[in-house]
Amino acid sequence: ELKVEQNPLFLSMQEGKNYTIYCNYSTTSDRLYWYRQDPGKSLESLFVLLSNGAVKQEGRLMASLDTKARLSTLHITAAVHDLSATYFCAGQGAQKLVFGQGTRLTINP
Amino acid sequence: NAGVTQTPKFRVLKTGQSMTLLCAQDMNHEYMYWYRQDPGMGLRLIHYSVGEGTTAKGEVPDGYNVSRLKKQNFLLGLESAAPSQTSVYFCASSYSGLAGGINNEQFFGPGTRLTVL
Repeated sequence: ELKVEQNPLFLSMQEGKNYTIYCNYSTTSDRLYWYRQDPGKSLESLFVLLSNGAVKQEGRLMASLDTKARLSTLHITAAVHDLSATYFCAGQGAQKLVFGQGTRLTINP
Repeated sequence: NAGVTQTPKFRVLKTGQSMTLLCAQDMNHEYMYWYRQDPGMGLRLIHYSVGEGTTAKGEVPDGYNVSRLKKQNFLLGLESAAPSQTSVYFCASSYSGLAGGINNEQFFGPGTRLTVL
């Protein structure tokens, strides 16, 4: 059964710094999804990674997938306050996505 | 397109009362899901459906029932609400759910905040 683990679960960082959120999964998952959730809001799709070596970028966020290492990363470049949110990764399970616990990211001025 | 909508947005129940949460999607998606989200617990799958007329149990199905009589609607019922069911409930849908299929990205509704006293 697929299990997905994110780390760190909490991350506080300063504006302008770079950091990476890691998403490890336990069994084969040929695709990986990243979502963002603002406080009190729903989940918004950020990236869909469909194959090994896939890399996608949107603004200051870049996501990558290494299916051999069973690892996806979400890299934040020169963080700004607007990126403060909770980020979830999800792997492809049988008939459903399996979500990680979420990483609560706080970016301080 | 409205995407995924949920009704109601907020609800307060007394212990033992019943209610139904409605989820509707207009994207012609086959798969639909109900999650609950509690502080520090992430998302937990309650029930899901792989097509009209089908339902399946997720991670935390006890105390809930679901029905998918129409492809576009997925109903979540609480027959006898308990304080432990106080949570935020999210519905989601996707084109497919199967490994090897095309993009299984899930689209989420705005959520229903339920309080059981």
